Amino acid sequence: QITLQESGPPLVKPTQTLTLTCTFSGFSLSSPEVGVGWIRQPPGKAPEWLALIYWNDAKHYSPSLKPRLTITKDASKNQVVLTMTNMDPLDTATYYCAHRGLWEYQLLFDFWGQGTLVTVSS
Amino acid sequence: QSVLTQPPSVSAAPGQKVTISCSGSSSNIGENYVSWYQQLPGTAPKLLIYGNYKRPSGIPDRFSGSKSGTSATLGITGLQTGDEADYYCGTWDVSLSADVFGTGTKVTVL
Repeated sequence: QITLQESGPPLVKPTQTLTLTCTFSGFSLSSPEVGVGWIRQPPGKAPEWLALIYWNDAKHYSPSLKPRLTITKDASKNQVVLTMTNMDPLDTATYYCAHRGLWEYQLLFDFWGQGTLVTVSS
Repeated sequence: QSVLTQPPSVSAAPGQKVTISCSGSSSNIGENYVSWYQQLPGTAPKLLIYGNYKRPSGIPDRFSGSKSGTSATLGITGLQTGDEADYYCGTWDVSLSADVFGTGTKVTVL
C-alpha cells in the first residue's frame, strides 16, 4: 500500500524559503521508473505541477518556477524534500507530494498525499 | 496558468450522463496519453482514468475516457450524488517539458 505524507510550516513570511518534506511508504525510490513529485493547488484553482525526482536522481522542474525550486531525495529515509525560495502571497496553496508510476505506457501521479496548506503572509 | 481547457461546470440529474471536455494542443494531448482525476471536496486528487481510457482497479465502469486529436473527454454515466466533485485532465507537454493539468470542471448532481 503506497502512502505519502507532506510536512512543513503552515505559515511563512514573504521572501522566506519554504522547505517541505514528503515521507512515503509502500515503495522504494531506488526502484527503476519510480519517481516522486510535488504539485500545488491554490484555493479554488487547478493543480500546478512543480517538480519531480526519479529513482536515478533525474530532476525536472516547472519552467516558470525553476529558478526558485530545488528537489532532493533520501531514498534510505524514504523522503523527498522540496525547497522554494522567495515566497510570495501568491504561493499560498495546498502542496501535495505524489508517487510517479508507470502505467503501461504512461508516467503519471497515481498516489497522492493528503496535502499541506501553506499560507504566505506577513 | 493551465494549458488544458475544461468547462467550469456541468450538471445533470441522478442517473443521467455528463461529459467533460479537455482541450489541448499538439504538444500535449496530441502527443501523449491523458489521465483524469477526481477531487472530492477537501481531499487530494484521485486517479480515475489513465492511458486515455483505461480505469485503475476499483474505478467503476460508469467512468469512461476517450481522446481524439488534441482533445479528450471524460464521461460519467448513471450519475450519483457521490460523483459531485472537481475533475481534472492531465498529461505531459513536450514543448514545456512539464506536467500540465486542466482548468478543472465541477460536476453537480441536481
